Amino acid sequence: GDSVTQMEGPVTLSEEAFLTINCTYTATGYPSLFWYVQYPGEGLQLLLKATKADDKGSNKGFEATYRKETTSFHLEKGSVQVSDSAVYFCALSDRGGSEKLVFGKGTKLTVNP
Amino acid sequence: DAGVIQSPRHEVTEMGQEVTLRCKPISGHDYLFWYRQTMMRGLELLIYFNNNVPIDDSGMPEDRFSAKMPNASFSTLKIQPSEPRDSAVYFCASSLEAGGWNEQFFGPGTRLTVL
Repeated sequence: GDSVTQMEGPVTLSEEAFLTINCTYTATGYPSLFWYVQYPGEGLQLLLKATKADDKGSNKGFEATYRKETTSFHLEKGSVQVSDSAVYFCALSDRGGSEKLVFGKGTKLTVNP
Repeated sequence: DAGVIQSPRHEVTEMGQEVTLRCKPISGHDYLFWYRQTMMRGLELLIYFNNNVPIDDSGMPEDRFSAKMPNASFSTLKIQPSEPRDSAVYFCASSLEAGGWNEQFFGPGTRLTVL
């Protein structure tokens, strides 16, 4: 079945550092890809998405590019802030008809001032 | 505009008791999802509804779990009897349209502790 693998956390960075969180996927069809973010005590929120190969999703300084050849969707940010501390989830949705989202295990990011 | 509303936010109960979690999706959303989040298993989809009809309940762990959606603005997830291994955060989410690429909007979750 479809699956998402993302880098184990936790990740601890200093403010203004560069962030990369790796995500790779396995899918039988042609999925849409997502990054969701969960701030402490809250539900998940969509951060960005990409629906076809080579698409770049971006939001709040975060970016991720849909790489079909490497089945990857790595999340990057050039300069993190303390307010970016959260858990980040990579997810896919098989556009073959299912409405399901398949999530990775999540990566906890802590940014220190 | 109110987001997805869940109640209660926290629930502590004893093993063997019945637990009912409640969700109000965003008005106009046709899809409703129930998820469970644990440290060991991450985020798991339990069941989802389209226009109040259950579409896929393959993630429901066992017969102790049941979910209903009597109308477009209300859903319940019931556990009877509850067990300590059911302790988790339960999220409800809703989305507007079909297609799988549409954003799911999550509620704040219900943290369930079964003693």
